[in-house]
Amino acid sequence: EAGVAQSPRYKIIEKRQSVAFWCNPISGHATLYWYQQILGQGPKLLIQFQNNGVVDDSQLPKDRFSAERLKGVDSTLKIQPAKLEDSAVYLCASSGQSTSSGNTIYFGEGSWLTVV
Amino acid sequence: DQQVKQNSPSLSVQEGRISILNCDYTNSMFDYFLWYKKYPAEGPTFLISISSIKDKNEDGRFTVFLNKSAKHLSLHIVPSQPGDSAVYFCAASPGGFKTIFGAGTRLFVKA
Repeated sequence: EAGVAQSPRYKIIEKRQSVAFWCNPISGHATLYWYQQILGQGPKLLIQFQNNGVVDDSQLPKDRFSAERLKGVDSTLKIQPAKLEDSAVYLCASSGQSTSSGNTIYFGEGSWLTVV
Repeated sequence: DQQVKQNSPSLSVQEGRISILNCDYTNSMFDYFLWYKKYPAEGPTFLISISSIKDKNEDGRFTVFLNKSAKHLSLHIVPSQPGDSAVYFCAASPGGFKTIFGAGTRLFVKA
């Protein structure tokens, strides 16, 4: 079974430029997440989709970050304009049906962003 | 507001010995707990989980213990191997939504 795919793996941009990251979740997974991981910290949830609807975007800086999941499969995360503090790894993850035990999420390898 | 706390930034253990990684949480609504392992330049990989209805879950060399009254969980790795050297993240979620992660503990297993 293929895992979560992300691209690009690495991106360097200047501040005030824009960048977009793409994610393809595990086949059949209805829930898709974007996390931001700053060096030395744990992953922080930016946005969670259930199919193509937003479940939680309370920590998404909406003045500069946007995300969409058209057709309930692939997703894109955009940052415009980028700031120096946006330098981080952007992790896409997905999960399937919750079981009686809980909900396990599976991560992609991440997209590393450096803003200079 | 850190709802999931990993107070030890790093841990060093001799190969063959036990590694114990600790995690504390504050939200009593959390009912599912997970541990992830992360190597450099890779995404976190799911390792083991436990539901709040249990106090122990074992998978090979990895065992997770949950103490609900203390709001504390731990991951035991026995025996530790050099390949276990990585960053370990504790995570928790209430009802399967909004999984929240700790800051991670870097484990060094010395050969």
